[in-house]
Amino acid sequence: QSALTQPPSASGSPGQSVTISCTGTSSDVGGYNYVSWYQQRPGEAPKLMIYEVIKRPSGVPDRFSGSKSGNTASLTVSGLQAEDEADYYCSSYAGSNNLVVFGGGTKLTVL
Amino acid sequence: QVQLVESGGGVVQPGGSLRLSCAASGFTFSSYGMHWVRQAPGKGLEWVTIISYDGSDKYYADSVKGRFTISRDNSKNTMYLQMNSLRAEDTALYYCAKDQNHCSGGTCYGVDYWGQGTLVTVSS
Repeated sequence: QSALTQPPSASGSPGQSVTISCTGTSSDVGGYNYVSWYQQRPGEAPKLMIYEVIKRPSGVPDRFSGSKSGNTASLTVSGLQAEDEADYYCSSYAGSNNLVVFGGGTKLTVL
Repeated sequence: QVQLVESGGGVVQPGGSLRLSCAASGFTFSSYGMHWVRQAPGKGLEWVTIISYDGSDKYYADSVKGRFTISRDNSKNTMYLQMNSLRAEDTALYYCAKDQNHCSGGTCYGVDYWGQGTLVTVSS
């Protein structure tokens, strides 16, 4: 079960937009529309931000959006705010053999 | 609201055993697949295992296959993780997590709720 590939870090100034990528294969990200994104602040449990590639749970600001092209999914945070500073993880369904795979995480810094 | 509360973590010697529990509330526990996901200190998330809504289907990461066993008691709204032959590399915060789907036949949609985690330390 290979991890999905995320950049280790990303950054942006308040008000700017930043996009975090999540690259897998045709057996996970590219093969299913079950990509999720999680926000994890220090000392806290992860929180679901995006599910099924593009859907946002209630309560998540619409500044957060998801997309997918081929084997790469992306999370875009628009209008960056200081509170968005956190680690972000992607995950994907990987079929009935491997089930679930996570990305290595991206530390988002708001400058 | 959905609540997941893990317990049972602690310090154990290499080769030892530990059983984690996850008490669920705020949703129909018997309708959803449930995961264990772990996070080693300072590291990323690693999926460990999942059990379908009725306990009939179970899947494991290669790293724990043959050593860990997941189970659930729907009458008690509780999930368990029996961990045997523990190794230093199993040291992590273990999260209980709810899937969005029943996970029957391995069809899962992804985690939507997480507990706060219970810490397992494997050390002599």
